[in-house]
Amino acid sequence: DAKTTQPPSMDCAEGRAANLPCNHSTISGNEYVYWYRQIHSQGPQYIIHGLKNNETNEMASLIITEDRKSSTLILPHATLRDTAVYYCIVNNAGNMLTFGGGTRLMVKP
Amino acid sequence: EAGVTQFPSHSVIEKGQTVTLRCDPISGHDNLYWYRRVMGKEIKFLLHFVKESKQDESGMPNNRFLAERTGGTYSTLKVQPAELEDSGVYFCASSHLTGPNSPLHFGNGTRLTVT
Repeated sequence: DAKTTQPPSMDCAEGRAANLPCNHSTISGNEYVYWYRQIHSQGPQYIIHGLKNNETNEMASLIITEDRKSSTLILPHATLRDTAVYYCIVNNAGNMLTFGGGTRLMVKP
Repeated sequence: EAGVTQFPSHSVIEKGQTVTLRCDPISGHDNLYWYRRVMGKEIKFLLHFVKESKQDESGMPNNRFLAERTGGTYSTLKVQPAELEDSGVYFCASSHLTGPNSPLHFGNGTRLTVT
């Protein structure tokens, strides 16, 4: 699986959009981009995933660049409950996910 | 629908003892996974069941760990004998389909402390 690079931490004001970047420059054509998050003392929570096209669901939007070497997770109106560690994972090997260090997002009032 | 449930939520045992963790996947999910995070490290894959068969157990650290999924429903992970370095949080996950286009749904984990 391709390796991902994420900033270790980010801050966001409550009510504003949180834009979390991820670089995956070695991604191959059959690898999906997944985002999970882990809120303190809970298990990882699935957010969204995509292959080539941008995706949106009730939680977030995923923007994948045309060359697929990077992506951005967008939380349109961040709340205090969105404070968590966010993991960007690229996956082609079934479901053996490789978690890195993620981005610690702090939403501030 | 009920999510992935794990039992117990916490377990404290002494070195050398045995502990058995249980995971109940989402109903209808054939795929079941075990992951763990040990102190200060990243979440790591342990193994993957498809129904009752072990699809991939490449992440199992050693033969003190035994995972079973008899009947293809719930799964157990036994650690025998437990060592100090086994302390951490053990997560179970399940997915409906096999393959990279099927999200995993995780439980809240079992926090294991070996003293």
